[in-house]
Amino acid sequence: KAGVTQTPRYLIKTRGQQVTLSCSPISGHRSVSWYQQTPGQGLQFLFEYFSETQRNKGNFPGRFSGRQFSNSRSEMNVSTLELGDSALYLCASSDTENTEAFFGQGTRLTVV
Amino acid sequence: GENVEQHPSTLSVQEGDSAVIKCTYSDSASNYFPWYKQELGKGPQLIIDIRSNVGEKKDQRIAVTLNKTAKHFSLHITETQPEDSAVYFCAVPYSGGGADGLTFGKGTHLIIQP
Repeated sequence: KAGVTQTPRYLIKTRGQQVTLSCSPISGHRSVSWYQQTPGQGLQFLFEYFSETQRNKGNFPGRFSGRQFSNSRSEMNVSTLELGDSALYLCASSDTENTEAFFGQGTRLTVV
Repeated sequence: GENVEQHPSTLSVQEGDSAVIKCTYSDSASNYFPWYKQELGKGPQLIIDIRSNVGEKKDQRIAVTLNKTAKHFSLHITETQPEDSAVYFCAVPYSGGGADGLTFGKGTHLIIQP
């Protein structure tokens, strides 16, 4: 069974640009959640989707958004990038509530 | 969202000794308590989890204990080995008892000294 796949692995963007990250969950998993990991703030929850609906959202500005498609693949978008958005963005999938969340390897975003 | 505090931030132990990492949480509705291990360049990997209806769970050298009254849970690693060196995170459900998404502790860098 293939794991969680995140693309791209690395990205370099300029301040003010926008970026879209992609996550393909494990086959059969309908829940996808996103996290931002930085040395200073650690792992922080962004949002969670289940069957194309956002069920939960963390404390991030509206520049951070996401969506989920009918095949459970998910994308997150960050608009008007700031230097502080540089981070490792992780996606996790699970099949039901409060069960094991499987993480991808992440997308390393650098904003210059 | 939920709050979770994790201690210590760094833990150095001799190979073969035991390591204990503790987390406290604030929402009494939390009912799921996973522990993750993250190695350099990789995403977090679940190593053990426990639900609120049990007080302890063990898997070979790893165990987790839960005290719901005091709202804390701990990870215990016995007979530590060099491959146990990594960053460990505790987590609780972001919204307490429902929906998905996790709130993570700040992490513990575990160093196994040869």
